[in-house]
Amino acid sequence: DGGITQSPKYLFRKEGQNVTLSCEQNLNHDAMYWYRQDPGQGLRLIYYSQIVNDFQKGDIAEGYSVSREKKESFPLTVTSAQKNPTAFYLCASSIASGATDTQYFGPGTRLTVL
Amino acid sequence: AQSVTQPDIHITVSEGASLELRCNYSYGATPYLFWYVQSPGQGLQLLLKYFSGDTLVQGIKGFEAEFKRSQSSFNLRKPSVHWSDAAEYFCAVVPYNTDKLIFGTGTRLQVFP
Repeated sequence: DGGITQSPKYLFRKEGQNVTLSCEQNLNHDAMYWYRQDPGQGLRLIYYSQIVNDFQKGDIAEGYSVSREKKESFPLTVTSAQKNPTAFYLCASSIASGATDTQYFGPGTRLTVL
Repeated sequence: AQSVTQPDIHITVSEGASLELRCNYSYGATPYLFWYVQSPGQGLQLLLKYFSGDTLVQGIKGFEAEFKRSQSSFNLRKPSVHWSDAAEYFCAVVPYNTDKLIFGTGTRLQVFP
């Protein structure tokens, strides 16, 4: 079955540690995205990638980093510079990055920083 | 300011009742419009989308939405709600001449038996 997988589902880290969230897709999509979701807020774009080896900052990129070495993978690192990292993180992909290209979402990773 | 607004944070309906979730946008030109649903602890699933043409759009799970240009609205409706519809619903837009998907803050739907 084609889809997007995110692992782990729950992640706990101590303050000051970097942590990497995994996102894999087998939909053969060119574009991939990372969003952050906080209670009572919509999704906010962290980073996106339109093609392998290329990515752009979204609205709230500070304290995060990404890589796109393979088409199917777009890992997100939450660094110690992120002031409030506890949140629900969603990865998405679309066939391209155009306005009419539907984004498909993974199940999310809930990160809790203790 | 340009934005997408979902005025209802939380809605409760009885199973079998009709449902309307509101979405308004404030952009100069009509954006592309989307409704997504999120079950607890899950990712988002696309219910329907509007780009142009017929202003009444049919989606999955028995949902429909109507685009009203005069009201800058794209409200989501369902004639008879099922308990499994309990979830959070997000309206989203891609503003004209951009490719960025912008989400509203969501409406949480609770369904009573």
